[in-house]
Amino acid sequence: GEQVEQRPPHLSVREGDSAVITCTYTDPNSYYFFWYKQEPGASLQLLMKVFSSTEINEGQGFTVLLNKKDKRLSLNLTAAHPGDSAAYFCAVSANYGNEKITFGAGTKLTIKP
Amino acid sequence: EAGVTQSPRYAVLQEGQAVSFWCDPISGHDTLYWYQQPRDQGPQLLVYFRDEAVIDNSQLPSDRFSAVRPKGTNSTLKIQSAKQGDTATYLCASSFGGAQNTLYFGAGTRLSVL
Repeated sequence: GEQVEQRPPHLSVREGDSAVITCTYTDPNSYYFFWYKQEPGASLQLLMKVFSSTEINEGQGFTVLLNKKDKRLSLNLTAAHPGDSAAYFCAVSANYGNEKITFGAGTKLTIKP
Repeated sequence: EAGVTQSPRYAVLQEGQAVSFWCDPISGHDTLYWYQQPRDQGPQLLVYFRDEAVIDNSQLPSDRFSAVRPKGTNSTLKIQSAKQGDTATYLCASSFGGAQNTLYFGAGTRLSVL
């Protein structure tokens, strides 16, 4: 089945700096890719999604890049602010009538003043 | 629109005790997921339903865990005889339609097994 590896597990950057979180996946049939944000004590909420046909999506100060050849998905934060401190999870699902969604292990992002 | 509702929010058990978690998905959502999220880890799928049918329960420890969604709306996840390794947050999520759609998560039930 699908394996999703997420790196790094912890990331600390200064306010205004950039940050990159990367996931690699194994199933070549993977088609739908998501990033979820989990603030302390709260549940997961969708941050961004990208489909295999688009490869890039931008919004809320983040850019999601998809490299299908390398089976790699990244979340790029261009200018961190304190509200970005949270855990971030990538999630991947395939496009063959199966709604099974596999999550990465998560990255705990801390923004320092 | 109401979100995904889970109860209880917290549960503390001794090993060997039973516990049930309840989930009320967003109205009209046909797909319902149960995930286990150990502390500082990602959600790990236990089981998911489309309407009342179990689609994938391959990761559900069938000797102690069971899950039902009898009318295709609310769902119950039960642990028959809890172990310390079951300590985690149990998340319910729902969505409408296929795998391209957003999951909406409940607040979770935090389980501690002593």
